[in-house]
Amino acid sequence: NAGVTQTPKFQVLKTGQSMTLQCAQDMNHNSMYWYRQDPGMGLRLIYYSASEGTTDKGEVPNGYNVSRLNKREFSLRLESAAPSQTSVYFCASSARTNTEAFFGQGTRLTVV
Amino acid sequence: KNEVEQSPQNLTAQEGEFITINCSYSVGISALHWLQQHPGGGIVSLFMLSSGKKKHGRLIATINIQEKHSSLHITASHPRDSAVYICAVRSQGGADGLTFGKGTHLIIQP
Repeated sequence: NAGVTQTPKFQVLKTGQSMTLQCAQDMNHNSMYWYRQDPGMGLRLIYYSASEGTTDKGEVPNGYNVSRLNKREFSLRLESAAPSQTSVYFCASSARTNTEAFFGQGTRLTVV
Repeated sequence: KNEVEQSPQNLTAQEGEFITINCSYSVGISALHWLQQHPGGGIVSLFMLSSGKKKHGRLIATINIQEKHSSLHITASHPRDSAVYICAVRSQGGADGLTFGKGTHLIIQP
């Protein structure tokens, strides 16, 4: 059972470079989320998609864009990476907005 | 914005001890989640609850909606229970997504 799959697992970027973090779930979930986890802080919501075709900003959306490509896939794009975006990024999904959440293994991103 | 506080931040105990981790929040919620994160690993959902109590193996989660408080208990703790335990809530009527506590780092020594 794959669950939620994130790629890549690790990435180093130079300031100003762009990249896309990929996330896919095989549980036919409607809701998908992107969070970032920083030392000494709880996970924070970047963007979410309550259903296919919709996306909304979370707590810390600046510097990011998202695409809900289809029901399975929800990607996070950094157009011009900054050192402040060094973090561990988690994708999550749930059947609906108030059901159990399933998380990917995380992407450790370093921006130098 | 819901404020989620966990205590303790760090906990070291001996194998076999009864463990309690606490979580309090500031605004009414529709659900509370307990999650487990192992070092270098992903995040696994342990419980989702909106009232009362749930039990799974040696883990028990309780919630008191009136007091805005939840506890996670581990009975007969084992070194493999060593992990970060995270409390997260979904606020009533708020935007989608969860608000997370900072986590409790638990170490169980043999």
